[in-house]
Amino acid sequence: DAKTTQPNSMESNEEEPVHLPCNHSTISGTDYIHWYRQLPSQGPEYVIHGLTSNVNNRMASLAIAEDRKSSTLILHRATLRDAAVYYCILRSQTSYDKVIFGPGTSLSVIP
Amino acid sequence: DVKVTQSSRYLVKRTGEKVFLECVQDMDHENMFWYRQDPGLGLRLIYFSYDVKMKEKGDIPEGYSVSREKKERFSLILESASTNQTSMYLCASSSPGSVPRLHEQYFGPGTRLTVT
Repeated sequence: DAKTTQPNSMESNEEEPVHLPCNHSTISGTDYIHWYRQLPSQGPEYVIHGLTSNVNNRMASLAIAEDRKSSTLILHRATLRDAAVYYCILRSQTSYDKVIFGPGTSLSVIP
Repeated sequence: DVKVTQSSRYLVKRTGEKVFLECVQDMDHENMFWYRQDPGLGLRLIYFSYDVKMKEKGDIPEGYSVSREKKERFSLILESASTNQTSMYLCASSSPGSVPRLHEQYFGPGTRLTVT
């Protein structure tokens, strides 16, 4: 399975945009890029996903590089409630819905 | 809203005990998963099931077994608990489909298991 690499931790000031990077240089043509986040003392929750085009939803935006070897999760205005571990994951269409989680990026939001 | 519930938030067991962790989902999902989460290692897949009575090994199945007798319920069993199985255990469910958005996994709150 293709793997992803993310920074261990990042900091952001409240109400500023946050760009969380993810590298996935061995991504295959059929892998979708998914992002989950895990708030303290909770299970992970889905944030957003994409294949080739940039995506927006109510939680975040996902910018995907043209060569698909990297992507960036964008939180437009960080709030204290966005402090969490963010996981960038590749979803293989050839396996039974297996999801490989790496260590993720721990985001701290400073008031 | 999808709900995935786990039988306990916190559990303390002794080495050698048999431990049952239960997970129930209310969305009629076909797929269910058990992960463990340890600091610095992210989530690691233990077992998953794509149908009743069906199971597949994940990345770290050793020391664990699972049972799926009903669609909504997926149990993780530690036959003889050991201290290295002290961890946070997370259950998830999803519905298969051709569109990846349908593969979204819904997680329970987790069970923090301590084996002494």
